[in-house]
Amino acid sequence: AQKVTQAQTEISVVEKEDVTLDCVYETRDTTYYLFWYKQPPSGELVFLIRRNSFDEQNEISGRYSWNFQKSTSSFNFTITASQVVDSAVYFCALSEFNSGYSTLTFGKGTMLLVSP
Amino acid sequence: GAVVSQHPSRVICKSGTSVKIECRSLDFQATTMFWYRQFPKKSLMLMATSNEGSKATYEQGVEKDKFLINHASLTLSTLTVTSAHPEDSSFYICSAIPSGSTPYEQYFGPGTRLTVT
Repeated sequence: AQKVTQAQTEISVVEKEDVTLDCVYETRDTTYYLFWYKQPPSGELVFLIRRNSFDEQNEISGRYSWNFQKSTSSFNFTITASQVVDSAVYFCALSEFNSGYSTLTFGKGTMLLVSP
Repeated sequence: GAVVSQHPSRVICKSGTSVKIECRSLDFQATTMFWYRQFPKKSLMLMATSNEGSKATYEQGVEKDKFLINHASLTLSTLTVTSAHPEDSSFYICSAIPSGSTPYEQYFGPGTRLTVT
């Protein structure tokens, strides 16, 4: 069974602060994918990143960066110089390949509140 | 590209009635679609996997007679909540995998908020 743990339920920061959202996962698969999604108050899931288990290179996209550490089974997400528009719930997810398609297991989410 | 729509976006129904939610892939065909449920301030829980032309695969604990899923075409899956009760009130989200793509590409719909009074 696979599992995704986002230990931080809620984080509050002031605009321009950097913030890191933690994600730890468990899986027996050797091939898997990790994802981060943003869910603003409207409810629609916004895809942020997908990373496969064989690619441990860190990635940067604008103010967003991701740190994938297979040794610690972590896939942390950092927002640099946070903005009020970053306020949302962020979900980390792990895919499991099963019978020709993948199913996603989501963490419980971290609510990020960025105040002006 | 890869847009998934859901209809309706919000629905209020009375206890005991049934309500149907549609999930459509607008610009691609999807052999496989998924239905998730999200309670307020909670995570997304996979309810079932919907495969075109075959029966849906339900996750443990999900009542298949209560949540009827039909995937009659490569662009449409429907979720019918039968004899709805207030505890069925939730946010329902579908996703779809484009046919022929890698199995890890899931595109999510905008969700449907169901309120049962």
